[in-house]
Amino acid sequence: DAKTTQPPSMDCAEGRAANLPCNHSTISGNEYVYWYRQIHSQGPQYIIHGLKNNETNEMASLIITEDRKSSTLILPHATLRDTAVYYCIVNTGKLIFGQGTTLQVKP
Amino acid sequence: NAGVMQNPRHLVRRRGQEARLRCSPMKGHSHVYWYRQLPEEGLKFMVYLQKENIIDESGMPKERFSAEFPKEGPSILRIQQVVRGDSAAYFCASSPPGRGFYGYTFGSGTRLTVV
Repeated sequence: DAKTTQPPSMDCAEGRAANLPCNHSTISGNEYVYWYRQIHSQGPQYIIHGLKNNETNEMASLIITEDRKSSTLILPHATLRDTAVYYCIVNTGKLIFGQGTTLQVKP
Repeated sequence: NAGVMQNPRHLVRRRGQEARLRCSPMKGHSHVYWYRQLPEEGLKFMVYLQKENIIDESGMPKERFSAEFPKEGPSILRIQQVVRGDSAAYFCASSPPGRGFYGYTFGSGTRLTVV
């Protein structure tokens, strides 16, 4: 079973920041948090991952709380092409996908 | 620098036939994972393989499904005597040696339709 909890859906206005929360209260000390997204029925696309420090790359930022029990994925300037299902996953040695958050970016 | 290659992209089989899905991992990746996505559902882990070894098959149905990753060649997911309920998208992912520190790279999937 997935070790994460995410809201089922969110809306975001185009050009604004999208903040996607994730709870992973049972995460262990050496387990990484990964974020993927799936656009339509394409293969999942890697976004970012982290252990305990905040991370940033060209796609997004990942903010992990100090107790590591939750994290937030930030898409700084959402576009219509960011509409997708976003999955927050704790890597326990294999990636187990939950239901994810369906992000709808609106014009 | 080719990514994870899956073929065929689309596969149609009649009930009772066999389906063979192939996955070539990224260069340098020795770990392969198979996932199934039923219509309107999330991705379900099926099996984790390394070269010539099945590491974790906890998500594989007990009957009709098998997977292999030979020393040479692609990984194969084999479904015998397909039924309508096997219709789904099957995704393969690969990762470098280790515990997937760099994450998995997914292929574009094989859409299996059983008629």
